[in-house]
Amino acid sequence: AQSVTQLDSHVSVSEGTPVLLRCNYSSSYSPSLFWYVQHPNKGLQLLLKYTSAATLVKGINGFEAEFKKSETSFHLTKPSAHMSDAAEYFCVVSAFISNFGNEKLTFGTGTRLTIIP
Amino acid sequence: DVKVTQSSRYLVKRTGEKVFLECVQDMDHENMFWYRQDPGLGLRLIYFSYDVKMKEKGDIPEGYSVSREKKERFSLILESASTNQTSMYLCASQSGRWTYEQYFGPGTRLTVT
Repeated sequence: AQSVTQLDSHVSVSEGTPVLLRCNYSSSYSPSLFWYVQHPNKGLQLLLKYTSAATLVKGINGFEAEFKKSETSFHLTKPSAHMSDAAEYFCVVSAFISNFGNEKLTFGTGTRLTIIP
Repeated sequence: DVKVTQSSRYLVKRTGEKVFLECVQDMDHENMFWYRQDPGLGLRLIYFSYDVKMKEKGDIPEGYSVSREKKERFSLILESASTNQTSMYLCASQSGRWTYEQYFGPGTRLTVT
């Protein structure tokens, strides 16, 4: 079984300051991990993904995340927040469904990021 | 460009009605998924399909059924809508069995009164 915990339901930062969105995971297998972003009234969009290659993963719009197996964490960071970053962010872990060898995604509960002008 | 469309952005139905939510993808993807999104609960998987006429239950299938008669279309059916099914419903598609990115539609906000 797999699960993911997003440690903050809401994060507020000032424009131009660093962003840190925290995520811890649990998985019986070697996990694949993702961050998705959802802007208001829009569908979810993939921000970045980790699939057992480099532990530091770079995504779109200047975001990156580091996979730390010893801490079972996959925190999302950005050096300098922009107003357009205001959105809801979901940390996601994948696991295989044994019957069909396919993966399914388990979503965290989301972190709403607010940018203060 | 990848595109997943959902038949309605907003829908209001009465308790006991049969409700159909439609999802269409134009990417020839094998896999399609239905989620519901509720505040504080994230996205929860209702049903998924890895092929035409094939369906599998997700984490919360009770009160729902699905239909996939054509590769590009995946329908979610609420047999008898109830107020606890008021939610945002998201459809997603995915290519093949070993790739991971899911492409999401804009969502349907369903209100059951």
